[in-house]
Formats: sequence, C-alpha cells, structure tokens
Amino acid sequence: AQSVTQPDIHITVSEGASLELRCNYSYGATPYLFWYVQSPGQGLQLLLKYFSGDTLVQGIKGFEAEFKRSQSSFNLRKPSVHWSDAAEYFCAVPNQAGTALIFGKGTTLSVSS
Amino acid sequence: ETGVTQTPRHLVMGMTNKKSLKCEQHLGHNAMYWYKQSAKKPLELMFVYSLEERVENNSVPSRFSPECPNSSHLFLHLHTLQPEDSALYLCASSQGIDTYNEQFFGPGTRLTVL
Repeated sequence: AQSVTQPDIHITVSEGASLELRCNYSYGATPYLFWYVQSPGQGLQLLLKYFSGDTLVQGIKGFEAEFKRSQSSFNLRKPSVHWSDAAEYFCAVPNQAGTALIFGKGTTLSVSS
Repeated sequence: ETGVTQTPRHLVMGMTNKKSLKCEQHLGHNAMYWYKQSAKKPLELMFVYSLEERVENNSVPSRFSPECPNSSHLFLHLHTLQPEDSALYLCASSQGIDTYNEQFFGPGTRLTVL
C-alpha cells in the first residue's frame, strides 16, 4: 500500500544554513511525489511536485527536491534558510485510487537566529 | 475573495450540537476535498467530490455528513460529535480529481468539541 514516512518530527536550523527534510515513500509504481508547506494558521501550499523526467525538481521559495528511486526518497532541500521558512512541511503521494493524496506526519521546521 | 475560503475559522460546540462547516472555492475547480488534521497524526482524507458527486468516503463516521450543492461550495454537517473529533478541518479544491492536479487548500476550521 502507498505510504509516506517523514522520519524527522522537528528540525531546528540556523538562519542562513542549509536545510534537508527527509521523505521516504512506499508506492507500487513510479510515484507522483509532492511537498507541501503549512505556515501557522494557514492551509497547505504546494512547494513542488515530481511526476517524471528530471529527478531534481525546482519549486517555489527557493526549494528543490531530488527523487531517488534506489532509496525510495524524495528529500526537500534549500541552500539558505530564512526565518520565514519556519513552518510545517508535508510530503505526499497519491492514494491507490489516484483520487487524493496520502500525507506524511509532517516535519516542523524552526529557524534560529 | 480569492482561492479557497472556509467559515467559520474557529468553532466550539458541545457533543449534542449540530453545526456546519462551509468551504467555497473561487478557482473554477471541479473537485473538492475535506481533510482532518489532528495533532501528531497525518492529514486524513475524509471525502472527495468530483463535479458534485461523492467519489470517496474514507470510512468516516456518519456523524460527519458532507454536502456539495455545486462545484464551488462544500459543506460538512456535524452532529453528536465526540471530543476526539476536535481537530483542524481543511478543505481543498483541484481542477480534477487526478492527483497530478495541484490541490489548493483553505486555511481550515479549528473545531473544538466539549
């Protein structure tokens, strides 16, 4: 069955430092993969998505993610974190019916000055 | 108004009350969703509507009753809820139900059941 694991519940990064958030998936075929961000008091916003082709995907707000089939991973990266990046980040894959998304439990990012 | 709006933003209700959550999308989308977000749990899909037809009911208790009168509006009617139903309820919409379509989320309704 399709599933998503985000191993890190909470990460703290210094402002200006690089960031990597981990996502591992279980999926029967080549997956669609998504990263969403949720700022406090807000709904979720799509950061980037992978469907096929180039395994390095660029998203909004300077984020990128790399699909690695051999590791069943789709880790999110940003070279230099800003205080406004503090939020909760969710990785997602489609459900078996392809009608909706299955989300991971999320990783909360704190940014220290 | 733009995007996806939800009202009310906060709701406190007793277990015997009946209330409704409202979602409206201004994006011209054909699919709408209800998700439940509880503390320390993943987002849980509750219902999916496509062109006003329910296409998925994810084993949700009958005390939650969705309604989609048209492609722009989605309601979640609540009755005789339990304290464990306290959560953030998120509405989303997308162009179609195929998951390559980006889902746009509303800000959610924070529900507290006393």
